[in-house]
Amino acid sequence: EVQLVQSGAEVREPGESLKISCKVSGYHFDGYWIGWARQVPGRGLEWMGIIFPAGSDARYSPSFQGQVTISADISITTAYLQWSSLKASDTAMYYCARFSSATFAAPQFDPWGQGTLVTVSS
Amino acid sequence: QSALTQPASVSGSPGQSITISCTGTSSDVGTYALVSWYQQHPGKAPKLIIYEGSKRPSGVPNRFSGSESGNTASLTISGLQAEDEADYYCCSYAGSSTWVFGGGTKLTVL
Repeated sequence: EVQLVQSGAEVREPGESLKISCKVSGYHFDGYWIGWARQVPGRGLEWMGIIFPAGSDARYSPSFQGQVTISADISITTAYLQWSSLKASDTAMYYCARFSSATFAAPQFDPWGQGTLVTVSS
Repeated sequence: QSALTQPASVSGSPGQSITISCTGTSSDVGTYALVSWYQQHPGKAPKLIIYEGSKRPSGVPNRFSGSESGNTASLTISGLQAEDEADYYCCSYAGSSTWVFGGGTKLTVL
């Protein structure tokens, strides 16, 4: 069974750093892209970026370029999303998802992790 | 890169059919017409229900169907059931290794 299990909820103060994780099992981790999406409470999904673990090729939405870093560790089949300096506006649920399509033009984000709630407050 | 446009809400009675539209531009839906759709129940992660515009993953009821025309994709749910009450999102490729989601539609089953 393909599973993406994300790390637990985090509470941080503005200016702090944070790295959340997405542990993958049930398929060849280095054979599929992994994407990240943000969902502000009560709002819609926003695509943030994607990474191909083999080679750590990461691509970012223009809205999130320079704001976050996406990485992966093949040895422990885990993808990461990190911030160097959090803002209150980063408060949201963050989801990882496997990109299951053979072509970028036909997006299939499936399955999804359970989500990690990040709260940034002083 | 703007979100695809979806109606904020739609509603229908059990057994009826509803359609949710997803309107983009020639930079996304109009060019890369292989939209996917996701269902999200409150407090849950999104779930893929339609891919490549009209295909259903294994386990998704055939009450769910998708179509595309020009810059607009549509999700139709026929024979509405109470469990279909959820938020629905479309997603399209936007070129240059980027994707865009719709703003989301809240479906209420009356």
